Amino acid sequence: DQQVKQNSPSLSVQEGRISILNCDYTNSMFDYFLWYKKYPAEGPTFLISISSIKDKNEDGRFTVFLNKSAKHLSLHIVPSQPGDSAVYFCAASVGNAGKSTFGDGTTLTVKP
Amino acid sequence: GAVVSQHPSRVICKSGTSVKIECRSLDFQATTMFWYRQFPKKSLMLMATSNEGSKATYEQGVEKDKFLINHASLTLSTLTVTSAHPEDSSFYICSASSDRGQDNEQFFGPGTRLTVL
Repeated sequence: DQQVKQNSPSLSVQEGRISILNCDYTNSMFDYFLWYKKYPAEGPTFLISISSIKDKNEDGRFTVFLNKSAKHLSLHIVPSQPGDSAVYFCAASVGNAGKSTFGDGTTLTVKP
Repeated sequence: GAVVSQHPSRVICKSGTSVKIECRSLDFQATTMFWYRQFPKKSLMLMATSNEGSKATYEQGVEKDKFLINHASLTLSTLTVTSAHPEDSSFYICSASSDRGQDNEQFFGPGTRLTVL
């Protein structure tokens, strides 16, 4: 049973528009959520995170929204840039043990 | 940020041989490192948590005798795939936590592509 799900394997948007990547989770014990970005042949790099005590966290062009009742979070990128083209992983953790459960990833393509 | 390296980046070996993959934290000390395996177009599957100076904690379904993990120092963890078979071919990634990062943030190595012939 996959506890973190990214139901869209891919997303394509036009440069300058908004990219919205979605993530759902099933384990109500998760209280910290992270988004990672991964380029080919590289390891994932941290992008943005949110604690369950918040419902929004913003960092520049990136905003993460958390809906605890729906067990859903989303990453908004606006405006999208071609350099944002990568695989985005949603991850969830319990407490601060460091261990995270990852989704399958969504491949974002931003077209010039 | 904190830098994690992996070596080798790519390895091809014959079936039945053992392969060692190194994961190093270059500019910080990592008491805990994580080993993941990634299948094509799938998520990072956590294999084990590597603790410096103690035994690794393996996830359910991961054979500890098959995937030997040693965390001998605060900057080095190794994963040895013993008696490798073609089904072990995969992308293996390590990560480490650092107090420089956000809560639960992991710093990932670049990964190792293992191909078993």
